[in-house]
Amino acid sequence: DTGVSQDPRHKITKRGQNVTFRCDPISEHNRLYWYRQTLGQGPEFLTYFQNEAQLEKSRLLSDRFSAERPKGSFSTLEIQRTEQGDSAMYLCASSLALGQETQYFGPGTRLLVL
Amino acid sequence: GDSVTQMEGPVTLSEEAFLTINCTYTATGYPSLFWYVQYPGEGLQLLLKATKADDKGSNKGFEATYRKETTSFHLEKGSVQVSDSAVYFCALSERGNKLVFGAGTILRVKS
Repeated sequence: DTGVSQDPRHKITKRGQNVTFRCDPISEHNRLYWYRQTLGQGPEFLTYFQNEAQLEKSRLLSDRFSAERPKGSFSTLEIQRTEQGDSAMYLCASSLALGQETQYFGPGTRLLVL
Repeated sequence: GDSVTQMEGPVTLSEEAFLTINCTYTATGYPSLFWYVQYPGEGLQLLLKATKADDKGSNKGFEATYRKETTSFHLEKGSVQVSDSAVYFCALSERGNKLVFGAGTILRVKS
């Protein structure tokens, strides 16, 4: 069990650029979640997938954000036209889709928008 | 909507002191409750959980009891160690879906 992995671990970009993050969940997990965490706050839910279907999106996920999980395995989160307010830690988690299953978190991707 | 409120930190204790971190929640249904911990430089890890009223979750000497009547899930440990220094997050989940987190409580343990 290699755990949830995320790539890259750090990203610095200029305002207006597009960025894409990748998450690889634990292999048998069919649910995958994205959260955003800013300094001094708890993680906030962005969206989640069951297999390849995106089942819920937060109002935090503006039109500039898009997430995909094309084959029900890894997922990507893209932010278009980045803004300084997008600077945060982006966390991915995965779980089995059976009742109250524990979510296992990756190390996160820290984004800094200059 | 659902929400979690936990005591503000930082909480600073001496080694072997008793720890309590308060957590209360608001939910429309019957959520599962969690404590996650984030050690310096590491990702979020599940510390313990409870899925129904009066359940007690426990791990590594930490305990929390799901109190439906007071909508609380306070974290306790009888004797903290320096290695327990971390940020602790209380969270809830309804029907196994998204987690709703509190703002986190920084714990610092001095030797």
